[in-house]
This record gives sequence, structure tokens and C-alpha cells, in this order.
Amino acid sequence: AQSVTQLDSQVPVFEEAPVELRCNYSSSVSVYLFWYVQYPNQGLQLLLKYLSGSTLVKGINGFEAEFNKSQTSFHLRKPSVHISDTAEYFCAVSALYSTLTFGKGTMLLVSP
Amino acid sequence: DAGVIQSPRHEVTEMGQEVTLRCKPISGHDYLFWYRQTMMRGLELLIYFNNNVPIDDSGMPEDRFSAKMPNASFSTLKIQPSEPRDSAVYFCASSLRLLSGANVLTFGAGSRLTVL
Repeated sequence: AQSVTQLDSQVPVFEEAPVELRCNYSSSVSVYLFWYVQYPNQGLQLLLKYLSGSTLVKGINGFEAEFNKSQTSFHLRKPSVHISDTAEYFCAVSALYSTLTFGKGTMLLVSP
Repeated sequence: DAGVIQSPRHEVTEMGQEVTLRCKPISGHDYLFWYRQTMMRGLELLIYFNNNVPIDDSGMPEDRFSAKMPNASFSTLKIQPSEPRDSAVYFCASSLRLLSGANVLTFGAGSRLTVL
């Protein structure tokens, strides 16, 4: 079975500052990794995914994440955030032919 | 494509009433998932289907919950009788399994259920 830990439940940041949202996973087999974003009163939207290949993955809205197998991490980064990035961000993991396991989520709060 | 369509978006009902939530997956997707989201427990997988067949319903909390997928374009999640602790946002998601074996889910907007 897989598990995901999002270390921060809330991350406050000022507009135009860089941000990193942390995600660590646990699995005994190879995994696929995902970041989803949830804006208020909406469903989850896929930001980016790692399936194979390059460990640096670029997604929508200027976000990127790096798969680090040795540290079992998949941290999400953005060099300069906007007010509109305020949302909840979910890290998720799955193994081959298994279902997604989600973390508890990190609320990104961007203030002017 | 219109994406995953869920209805109703909001439902307020009284304890003991039957609740039916509906989902239309993306055309061509062969997997359908029902999730429940609460503040306390986060996102929980309730049940998922592959080619309209229920594969794993171990996340369904009790016998009061049931889910069906009569065809590839429609699924329902039913709660009978409903209780206040069922209040949550229920999400439907669909996917097409990739050759790599990964499932990339597309979520609906959710159905917010309040049981008084």
C-alpha cells in the first residue's frame, strides 16, 4: 500500500514570492505521482503528474515538481505566486494498476 | 468534452431521507470513482468501477450506501437512510487507464450534501 504525507496544512506567502509545498510518499514499489489543485467550491484539477522519464515535471499555471526517489519526495514549486493561486493543493500517489491515495492537502494562502 | 458532470451541486435534506447523487463520466473513460471529502477525513475513496463493474467497494462506510453504474455514461451513489454524519462533498471522477498502468483522474465539480 502507498501513503502520502503533506507536511504543511497551511502555507501563507506574499504575492510574487516563491513557494514550495512539500510532499513525501511511502511505497514498496514504483509509483506514479500527482499534484491536484482545488479552488473554493470546485472539484480537483490536475496540475501535473510524474509517470516516468525526467524527474522535473512542469505543469499548468507555472508550477513544477521534482521527483526525488532517494528522498521519496515530490515537492511542488512556483517561483512567483499570484493571488489567484490561493487554493488547496493535494499530492497523490499510485502504484501500477492501483488507485490514487491522496494526502490531507495544503492550503496555500497568497496575500498582497 | 464537457468533463465529468455531477448533479445535484447542492442537496439539503433531513435525516432519514433517501439521497441520490448522479454522475456522467467523460465519454470513453473506462474507470469511474466516487470520493467523499470532509474536513476531518480528507478525501476518501468510496468505490470504483471498471467497465461498469464495481471493483472495490471497501471504502463504502455502511450498508446505507450503495452505488450503481448501469451503463458507461451514468452512475449513481445512493444513501438510504441519510444521517447528519453523511454531510460532505461527494466527488465523482473518471479516467482512462494509460498503457503505463497509471490512472489519471478527471474530477467533477462535486455534490455538497447537508443532512439536517
